[in-house]
Amino acid sequence: DAMVIQNPRYQVTQFGKPVTLSCSQTLNHNVMYWYQQKSSQAPKLLFHYYDKDFNNEADTPDNFQSRRPNTSFCFLDIRSPGLGDAAMYLCATSSSGTSLWRANVLTFGAGSRLTVL
Amino acid sequence: AQSVAQPEDQVNVAEGNPLTVKCTYSVSGNPYLFWYVQYPNRGLQFLLKYITGDNLVKGSYGFEAEFNKSQTSFHLKKPSALVSDSALYFCAVRDRGSNYQLIWGAGTKLIIKP
Repeated sequence: DAMVIQNPRYQVTQFGKPVTLSCSQTLNHNVMYWYQQKSSQAPKLLFHYYDKDFNNEADTPDNFQSRRPNTSFCFLDIRSPGLGDAAMYLCATSSSGTSLWRANVLTFGAGSRLTVL
Repeated sequence: AQSVAQPEDQVNVAEGNPLTVKCTYSVSGNPYLFWYVQYPNRGLQFLLKYITGDNLVKGSYGFEAEFNKSQTSFHLKKPSALVSDSALYFCAVRDRGSNYQLIWGAGTKLIIKP
């Protein structure tokens, strides 16, 4: 089945120690998103890729970076995690291939839960 | 400012009873409307969406939602709740005329008691 896979599912890191979370997809979707979700709150968009074009949300801290080496993969790098960065990180994909692309749904991965000690 | 409101943090329903999870929005024009569900320690899953046409939209797992333009609401409903419906439900809205991203509600925790 086509899907969105996130690794690792659980990541424990120390304060200030860099972390990389990965996302892969077999849907061939051209748009990929990274969301941060804290304790059952609404997901907060960090950034997204529209094809190769990177779009950063205005309030996303510089501590968060992303890479998309190809259509299938996307990475979230947290350069110096703080206690406030402990959260679930959700990767999602969608397609913009039709005129109604804004009505296209997001397909989410299962998430990567980050703990910062 | 554009916003989505889910006025209830939690909804408790007995198994077999009908359920409603409320959503109202403040977005210009005629937005696209979505419901997503999140089970514990999982990502979000799409339930249903409204684009145009019939105000009653049917989705996954027996859920449906009623679009009301005059009240700018998109309430999620199910005629007979199951214990397995217990989860976190998010309403989301997208302006169909812009490149703005989804605007999410705060979520409603649905608890179905046996």
